[in-house]
Parts: sequence; C-alpha cells; structure tokens
Amino acid sequence: GAGVSQTPSNKVTEKGKYVELRCDPISGHTALYWYRQSLGQGPEFLIYFQGTGAADDSGLPNDRFFAVRPEGSVSTLKIQRTERGDSAVYLCASSHGQGNNEQFFGPGTRLTVL
Amino acid sequence: KQEVTQIPAALSVPEGENLVLNCSFTDSAIYNLQWFRQDPGKGLTSLLLIQSSQREQTSGRLNASLDKSSGRSTLYIAASQPGDSATYLCAVEDTGFQKLVFGTGTRLLVSP
Repeated sequence: GAGVSQTPSNKVTEKGKYVELRCDPISGHTALYWYRQSLGQGPEFLIYFQGTGAADDSGLPNDRFFAVRPEGSVSTLKIQRTERGDSAVYLCASSHGQGNNEQFFGPGTRLTVL
Repeated sequence: KQEVTQIPAALSVPEGENLVLNCSFTDSAIYNLQWFRQDPGKGLTSLLLIQSSQREQTSGRLNASLDKSSGRSTLYIAASQPGDSATYLCAVEDTGFQKLVFGTGTRLLVSP
C-alpha cells in the first residue's frame, strides 16, 4: 500500500499482560517514529528510528516499553506488564529522514488495558 | 523544552465562513512546522508543511503562514465546508531533534 499501516487497529488486554504493536512504514522511508495519544491531547513522542537503530528513545516512559526495527522497515512496539495508564492510541509515522522531513502517519492502534 | 499552544480549543462556524486557527511555540529554533487534520477515531493527515526558511504554504483552500521569530503560525481556511469539520493539530520539529512536538489541537465544527 501507499501509506503507513498499523496492526492491530484495536487491542484489548488485561493488566499485566504483554502486547506487541506493529507498524509498516511507507516504502523507502528511512525514518520511523512512534507517538502516543491520550484522549483530548496531541500525540506525544516515544521513539525515533533512523534505519535499524533507535536514534532517540527519550520519550519512552519507562523500561516496560521497548521498540525494534531489525531490518530497517517494519517496527514493533513492545509493552511488558501493561498497566491501565498505558491505554491510549499508539501512532506510527515515517519520513524520508532528510530534506523537508514531512512525517506521514498511520491510522493508529487503540490499546485498552482492563 | 519546546511547548506548542493552539487557540482556540474549539470553534463552531456556519458553512462558507473564512476562519483562522492559531498556533504558537516557545522555542524559535525550529526545522519545520506541520499542520495536520484528525478525524474522530482516525490517524493524522498531513495538510501543509512549512520549512523554517519559508513564510507560507498554500494547498487549495488552505494557507499556512509562519513567523518564526515571534513563534507563531496560522492556518487560514477559506470558504469553510461541513467536510472541514475535524480536529486540526499543529506540530513543530526542533532543529536537530527530528521528533514532532504537538499542540492539543483545535476542534472545528462547520455547520451546514
């Protein structure tokens, strides 16, 4: 497809469980970003990849959150021991990583922790 | 730390009106500024990107301006339509940091 895709679109889990959220960026985009959006707020930055490496993970709230991008394309955001406060929409974006660096967003994954 | 503020938080107008959405940021050392549209339960759609060296960008009925020195941007929507109803988000990319810092958005309702 032409745009950023994210799976699943919705995820409901129980407190304490482990979840994985997947992002497929636009083909050829070297930069990939994860953001989290709570109700009524703007998205907040979590982590940014340039190629396979995490160039900036300063937005990850704690060590329960981890993300990988092993082949420089698809990325997975992993959350261990989920808490109710992790409930939010998780958004992924990609860009060329240079030039005007316009970021294009996917539809998001809505995570609900019961 | 960069902070982005959007005013007003909500706006309701009749169809056909021209309107202006405001965005302000605290640190003028930005690389670019993007305006997005978000429909309920959906992701973000990029509307316009203004690089730090530019003063404005236009796309159809949308015009965005940037005054970097004063830390302000405006999004002008001409001849508003009910289909323009959505939340509009402003975001800045600080020089050297890649990540976007978002405002909380302006929720726009255009009535027929």
